[in-house]
Formats: sequence, C-alpha cells, structure tokens
Amino acid sequence: GQSLEQPSEVTAVEGAIVQINCTYQTSGFYGLSWYQQHDGGAPTFLSYNALDGLEETGRFSSFLSRSDSYGYLLLQELQMKDSASYFCAVRGGSYIPTFGRGTSLIVHP
Amino acid sequence: EPEVTQTPSHQVTQMGQEVILRCVPISNHLYFYWYRQILGQKVEFLVSFYNNEISEKSEIFDDQFSVERPDGSNFTLKIRSTKLEDSAMYFCASSWEDTQYFGPGTRLTVL
Repeated sequence: GQSLEQPSEVTAVEGAIVQINCTYQTSGFYGLSWYQQHDGGAPTFLSYNALDGLEETGRFSSFLSRSDSYGYLLLQELQMKDSASYFCAVRGGSYIPTFGRGTSLIVHP
Repeated sequence: EPEVTQTPSHQVTQMGQEVILRCVPISNHLYFYWYRQILGQKVEFLVSFYNNEISEKSEIFDDQFSVERPDGSNFTLKIRSTKLEDSAMYFCASSWEDTQYFGPGTRLTVL
C-alpha cells in the first residue's frame, strides 16, 4: 500500500516563506504532485516532481528526494489568498495518485 | 482555458434513492477519474476510466457504484441505493498524461 505524512496545519505571516513537508511510503514510484484546495473548492494542480531536485513555478517551488522518500512545497512571498489546504499526492505502483490528508495553511496579516 | 465541468453542483437525495453525477472532461483528455471527499477529510480515489472501460478502482468502488461514458463528452457516476455515509463532495478529473484537472465538484447530501 501507500501512505503519506504531512503536517495537519502550518501558520505564517504575509510576505514570509513557508515549507510544507511530505514523506511517503510506496512500493513503486512514478512521481509526487502537489495540489491546492480552497474551502469548498476543487483541488488545483500546483506541481509534479518525477525526478530529484527543485521545480520552480513563480512563488511556488517543489522539491523531491526519491532516496529519502521525501518532498516539500515551498511558498514564497506569502499572500492572504494562499490560505488553503495543500495536498501531496504520490503515484506509486500505478498511475493513480494517493492523496495525503492535507496541510491547512493559515496566512496572517 | 478548457476546464472540467460537473453537474449538478449540489444534489440532495433520500436514503435508498439512486443518483447520477455528471461530468464533462476536457475534450482531448484520455483518462477520467472520480474522487470523493468527505467533509474535512482527504481526497479519496474511486475509479479511473480509459478507453471506454474501468482501468482501476478502489475498495470504496463496490457494486453500489458504476461509471459510464454514454457519449463522446459525458462521464457519469451512478450511485445506487444511497446511504447516509455517501454524503460527500464528488470530484471528477481528467488528464492527458501526469497532470489531473479537477472539476468543481458535486456536493451530495443524503438525508
């Protein structure tokens, strides 16, 4: 089976940088994705890492270390609108992603 | 920008009734999915569909559930004999390769 661990909640202030970690256990590995979900909304794709290293997309970056079964999402220059839940999702033995329980990010002014 | 659409946005039904949730995936996508999210919990995979047949399904997707692609654009999830615990947000998603695009969801409330 597959399992993922991520913190349940992270708080930060506007303009700060925050890192949301994700560790996973899986029998195979295709890649790690990150999704953002605002209350009542649909998950929105943020990034996908299949190989080790850092992927940067604007204020958001995602990192993967396959040897450590670990990844993180880095959010820079935090804005109030970044307050949302962030899910990591791993594609293990199949191409179907398994989602983590999500991290609630609360951004304070 | 193309997007996944779902109807209805909210469905209220009585326990024991059948519901059909509808989705229109992005037109050139090949893979279609249904997910469920119970309030406050994580997104759970139900089923994936490729080439007009189910390619994978989870243990949640039992005989109570079925999926269909009745025409070239729609993708439906049927839930028979609904139970209280079926109350959740149901998301449809579609993909070309690695990235899944989610629809806005249908909130199902079973009374």
